[in-house]
Amino acid sequence: KNQVEQSPQSLIILEGKNCTLQCNYTVSPFSNLRWYKQDTGRGPVSLTIMTFSENTKSNGRYTATLDADTKQSSLHITASQLSDSASYICVVSAASGGSYIPTFGRGTSLIVHP
Amino acid sequence: EPEVTQTPSHQVTQMGQEVILRCVPISNHLYFYWYRQILGQKVEFLVSFYNNEISEKSEIFDDQFSVERPDGSNFTLKIRSTKLEDSAMYFCASSEGDSGEKLFFGSGTQLSVL
Repeated sequence: KNQVEQSPQSLIILEGKNCTLQCNYTVSPFSNLRWYKQDTGRGPVSLTIMTFSENTKSNGRYTATLDADTKQSSLHITASQLSDSASYICVVSAASGGSYIPTFGRGTSLIVHP
Repeated sequence: EPEVTQTPSHQVTQMGQEVILRCVPISNHLYFYWYRQILGQKVEFLVSFYNNEISEKSEIFDDQFSVERPDGSNFTLKIRSTKLEDSAMYFCASSEGDSGEKLFFGSGTQLSVL
């Protein structure tokens, strides 16, 4: 069964600090991995996409890594801001019979304190 | 940036009643989706829709659920006889393609079944 596990479940950091969120998956056959940011009461918004051949991808202060061998990904946030407070969701898509069904993780709830 | 819009933002209904949740996907997108998120839980896939027919559906999407694209812009989710456990945030999403491409989510409809 395809699964996506994220850790930690929640994280509290001070403004300006860095943090790293983890994602482990058992999704096969792997197609791609996305990190989404979900503000409270809003729909998720895509931050980055990683394909099998990519190890690192940056989007501003967000840097995602992917180790396809160990089936792990991380999302590193640099110099956190109050607006980074949100749930960060790891989504892994499997390619199956021409369709791509994404599996969502439960998310990491990040709170940035001033 | 173009957006997926959903109406209403909140819907309260009595158990056993029918509800229709409405979505306007991004105009040039071809793939449409419904997801739900029960409070405190992860986002769950319900159904994907392409070329006026369902392409994939999950175990959650049983005979009580149906989707329709009644015209060139709207995409609806109907729940025929709501149950208490249908209470959740329902997200509509759309994408240009189906190759695990970026999903654009709406802000969701919070459904409360009493």
